[in-house]
Formats: sequence, C-alpha cells, structure tokens
Amino acid sequence: QQQVKQSPQSLIVQKGGISIINCAYENTAFDYFPWYQQFPGKGPALLIAIRPDVSEKKEGRFTISFNKSAKQFSLHIMDSQPGDSATYFCAATYREYGNKLVFGAGTILRVKS
Amino acid sequence: DAGITQSPRHKVTETGTPVTLRCHQTENHRYMYWYRQDPGHGLRLIHYSYGVKDTDKGEVSDGYSVSRSKTEDFLLTLESATSSQTSVYFCAIGRNGNTIYFGEGSWLTVV
Repeated sequence: QQQVKQSPQSLIVQKGGISIINCAYENTAFDYFPWYQQFPGKGPALLIAIRPDVSEKKEGRFTISFNKSAKQFSLHIMDSQPGDSATYFCAATYREYGNKLVFGAGTILRVKS
Repeated sequence: DAGITQSPRHKVTETGTPVTLRCHQTENHRYMYWYRQDPGHGLRLIHYSYGVKDTDKGEVSDGYSVSRSKTEDFLLTLESATSSQTSVYFCAIGRNGNTIYFGEGSWLTVV
C-alpha cells in the first residue's frame, strides 16, 4: 500500500512538445506529492510539489495535476526543451510516516531537438 | 546546493569488507535519510534518523546499519559488503515539513 506506480518508463518528446508523466498511489494517507528531476551523475532535485487540497499547481513550464478521487497525479512539461532531458521521479509521503518519501520507479525523458 | 556533503563519492571495495559512507549537513535539519538507487526501482529508503541517536529502518535495511552521534553527521555502514549492495547511495535531509533535499550521491561497487 506504500507503493507509487509511475509510467511510462521512458519517453521521447519533440522540442516544443508536451511531456506527460503519470503516477498512481494506493495509500490515502499520503498528503504530499513531490516531483524530482535528476540529471546523470547528480542527486535528485526537487522540481515541484503539491498537496491534495488543490487539483493543480503550476511553476513556469511545469504543472502538477492531481486527481484525489482517482488517486493519481501527473507532471506536465510544456514547451519541452532538450535541457529537460533527465530522469523524473514522483514521490509521496505523509507527516505521520516521518516524511519518508516513497518513490516511483522513474521516467527517463529525452527531448529531441 | 542543499548543504549536503557525501563521502566518499566513489568507492570500489571487495566482497566481505566493511564500508562506511558519510553524510554531512550544514543546515541543522532534524531529519536525515539514506536511500539507494537502482535501475527499475527508483530510490528506496535504507534507514532514516529523526534526531541524534534516533534512527529507524527503511524498506531495504538488511545488511546496513546507521549511526547519528551529531546533528550534522549520518553514517551508513555495510558491515560485510556483498555484490547486491553495488548501488548509488543518496543521503537526504529535511526539516519538520515535507521538503527533502538530496546530496550528490556515493557510487559504490562491490567486486
């Protein structure tokens, strides 16, 4: 029940296109859903995060859409750029769980120029 | 830069030898975590700490131990390294809120 399922495993998008990565969870206690971006040889970096009291959060070209009833959330990257090529991880946690993050398996995004 | 330093960054060791990875933070954050990253598995929690001398197991803790004698340092020890522990190890830190920051990683190869 502590799992987070992420899809697709890999994604190729043309420059200027929209990249969409999806995640699903089972534990309704989760109350914080961050996305991390990781470049080769680097640690994951927090990209954007959402709490279940809102259905959408936007920061620049990055948007999280959250569907509480379906227990799903997704990352949309608008106007995708080659510099966005990285591995993206969704995650979930809740305060009573000690804020321990449960991660999805990751999506390797490649943006073709 | 979240003020996290991991050492060593790269290490090759032999099966059966002990290995200690160090995580040092300059942020005075309460929570510290050790994750391992393997292809197809994302990041999985090994151990975490919610204060000095307060630690607990994560989902993949077998074969690992930790210690936290000071707020700023969190040590991960492989008592007797095995090939299955070849991985990239990430330390992370967090305050009482949810935001968690990761270090740059330690690449460990067990031969």
